[in-house]
Amino acid sequence: DGGITQSPKYLFRKEGQNVTLSCEQNLNHDAMYWYRQDPGQGLRLIYYSQIVNDFQKGDIAEGYSVSREKKESFPLTVTSAQKNPTAFYLCASSISGATGANVLTFGAGSRLTVL
Amino acid sequence: EDQVTQSPEALRLQEGESSSLNCSYTVSGLRGLFWYRQDPGKGPEFLFTLYSAGEEKEKERLKATLTKKESFLHITAPKPEDSATYLCGLNNFNKFYFGSGTKLNVKP
Repeated sequence: DGGITQSPKYLFRKEGQNVTLSCEQNLNHDAMYWYRQDPGQGLRLIYYSQIVNDFQKGDIAEGYSVSREKKESFPLTVTSAQKNPTAFYLCASSISGATGANVLTFGAGSRLTVL
Repeated sequence: EDQVTQSPEALRLQEGESSSLNCSYTVSGLRGLFWYRQDPGKGPEFLFTLYSAGEEKEKERLKATLTKKESFLHITAPKPEDSATYLCGLNNFNKFYFGSGTKLNVKP
């Protein structure tokens, strides 16, 4: 079945450490996205990529980094510069970021907790 | 500035008690308004896409409608399994924006 796989589901990090969240899709989608979700808040866009080897900052990119070396993969690194990284992270993809006939498909999410 | 505002933040209903969730939006160029359902600890699940004012879509007990300024998600005779957070979002060219959601609790 086609879909988006995020790993790990739960992750604990000590202060000062970088961690990388994995996102893999087999939907043959061009565009991929990372969102952060905090309790009682909506989804906030961290980074998005419309094509391999290209990505753009979203609304809250500070303290995060991404890469898009393969169409199916869009890993997110939460760096030590991110002041409050404890959150639920969601990866999503769509056929293309540039057209209107788009639906976002989400992964199951990764919950990061800073100890 | 593109913006999505959902109300109420939380809604408690008795089983069978119909109601509506509201999504107000401002956007420079709407290319689609979306409704998603999210269960606790899971990723959002797609429900509907609406593209133009006057459009309506239905799925079981849910019906979504769209005007030029807002969208409504009508829930008819809800059941406890409809309890979830419902997210409204919009597509503006290359980005998708979301509201903070309405947490629905349906009691038997």
